[in-house]
Amino acid sequence: GIQVEQSPPDLILQEGANSTLRCNFSDSVNNLQWFHQNPWGQLINLFYIPSGTKQNGRLSATTVATERYSLLYISSSQTTDSGVYFCAVEGSGNTPLVFGKGTRLSVIA
Amino acid sequence: DSGVTQTPKHLITATGQRVTLRCSPRSGDLSVYWYQQSLDQGLQFLIQYYNGEERAKGNILERFSAQQFPDLHSELNLSSLELGDSALYFCASTPTGGNYGYTFGSGTRLTVV
Repeated sequence: GIQVEQSPPDLILQEGANSTLRCNFSDSVNNLQWFHQNPWGQLINLFYIPSGTKQNGRLSATTVATERYSLLYISSSQTTDSGVYFCAVEGSGNTPLVFGKGTRLSVIA
Repeated sequence: DSGVTQTPKHLITATGQRVTLRCSPRSGDLSVYWYQQSLDQGLQFLIQYYNGEERAKGNILERFSAQQFPDLHSELNLSSLELGDSALYFCASTPTGGNYGYTFGSGTRLTVV
């Protein structure tokens, strides 16, 4: 099945700093989503982005489907951005969403 | 509120017992997915239902079963529970057609003692 690799596995930032999270996937995809899992365990959908670029406030994401990677940018990070960020992909065979292992982000004041 | 409702939010039960987790998808969504998140395995797909019928199966144990009812809500039944079944169980739904991705519920945290 499709493989999803995220990097870095852990990231510690000072409040106000910017960061880039990366997601590599092994095959063509119909769907790619970025999620934020907050400290209470909730999975919040950030972006549905199988290709192209999207922005939502301080967050933006870019997927280059032909090169099989996606990037999540967080600017001016805040302590509330802490948690685990997951990339998840759905392969071209309409197989269910496969998750990467996540990037654990800690933003310190 | 994502529109996907899961109950209960927390569940503590003893080994050997059986529990039922419930999920109501977003209004109009026909597909329901169940995922398990444990510390050592990450987020793993268990099973998918589409309009009442099983559509895909992942790494779901034989002790686990699910169904989707005519009103589209789904239940995940876990039996003969073991300590290792302790995890967060998520339900997600997707609309038919369109490209909107998966919407997840807030999960049920199961603790087996």
